[in-house]
This record gives sequence, structure tokens and C-alpha cells, in this order.
Amino acid sequence: AQSVSQHNHHVILSEAASLELGCNYSYGGTVNLFWYVQYPGQHLQLLLKYFSGDPLVKGIKGFEAEFIKSKFSFNLRKPSVQWSDTAEYFCAASQGGYNKLIFGAGTRLAVHP
Amino acid sequence: SQTIHQWPATLVQPVGSPLSLECTVEGTSNPNLYWYRQAAGRGLQLLFYSVGIGQISSEVPQNLSASRPQDRQFILSSKKLLLSDSGFYLCAWSPVDRGDNIRAFFGQGTRLTVV
Repeated sequence: AQSVSQHNHHVILSEAASLELGCNYSYGGTVNLFWYVQYPGQHLQLLLKYFSGDPLVKGIKGFEAEFIKSKFSFNLRKPSVQWSDTAEYFCAASQGGYNKLIFGAGTRLAVHP
Repeated sequence: SQTIHQWPATLVQPVGSPLSLECTVEGTSNPNLYWYRQAAGRGLQLLFYSVGIGQISSEVPQNLSASRPQDRQFILSSKKLLLSDSGFYLCAWSPVDRGDNIRAFFGQGTRLTVV
């Protein structure tokens, strides 16, 4: 069955530390990949997405993710986190039409000043 | 601009009572609509999606049903709630366009506690 797994459920970092959140998916064929973020008290919103082309995708607020097909991975990175990056991050995938998303369990990131 | 409204934000219901959660979308037409649920410690799971009025697809067997009586209205219902129905319910929409613009927009969610 199709699934998305995120390796870390809770991550605690100090400001200026580098961030990498792992995401692996189990899909055959072409897959669309997403990272969504939910800041405290806000709606879930799109951070970045990969459909095709350059496997290194840049999103908002300095985030980027790299699609590595051979590893079925789509890890999220940021070279220097800020306190305002404190949020819950969800990796998701879809395939085919209708944009039906399958989500990972989420990673809660806490950034301390 | 497009907006999505979902209510109520929180709900406490006794076991066996009915449920009705409503979601409406503004600023777009003929959207794809979705209901997701997040149970404690788990990711978001797709429950239902709809590509048009009266067209509902169920992704998982469960005690819930969905309806789309109008183009931009999506309702999640249950006749008799179970304890296992507790969770965080999110409504979402996405444009029909299947190109690179495809993305989902989420409501604020409803935290349902069945007691």
C-alpha cells in the first residue's frame, strides 16, 4: 500500500542550527511530493512541492527539499533555523488525478532562542 | 481570493449522538473537496473526496459519511458517534487543474471529542 513515513516525531533545535527532516514514500511510478507546515494557531499551508524537473526544490522561508528517486526520499532542509520556524511539518505524496494526499505522521519542530 | 471555512472549531459529543461538520469554500468554482482526519499520534488520513456535486468517494470504511449538496459545500456526518471517531478533522480543497499549480488548501480544522 502507498505510504509516507517521517523519521522524527519531535525535533528540538537552537536558533541558527541546521535542520533536516526525513521523509520516505512507498509509491511505484510517478509521484508528486509535498511538504506542508502548520504554525501554531494557523491553517496547514504548503511549504514546497515537487512534480518533475530539478530534484532540488526551493520553498518559502528559506526551506528546500531534495527528491532522491533511488532512495524514495524527499527530505526537508534549512541551513539556519529561526524561532519562527517552530511548527509541525508534514510530508505528503499524491499520485494520479484528484490530488488525494497521503500524509506522514508529522514532525513537531521546536526552535529555542 | 479563495477562502475555506470550517466549523465548529471544537466539539464535544456523547457516544451515540449524531454529527454534522460543515465546510464551505469561497472564491473558486468546481473545486475538489476533501475530508481528512488526524487521530492522536498519527498523520492525516484521507476520509472522503468529491469532484462534483453529489459525487463522493470514500477512502476508508468507517462510521462516517459525506455529502456535497452544493458546489462549494462539503458536509461530514455520522448518525451515531463512536469513541473511535474522536480526532482532528480537516476540510480541504484543491483546484481541478492537474498541472503544476495543483495544491491543497486547508481549513482550520475541528477537534472532535466523543465522550
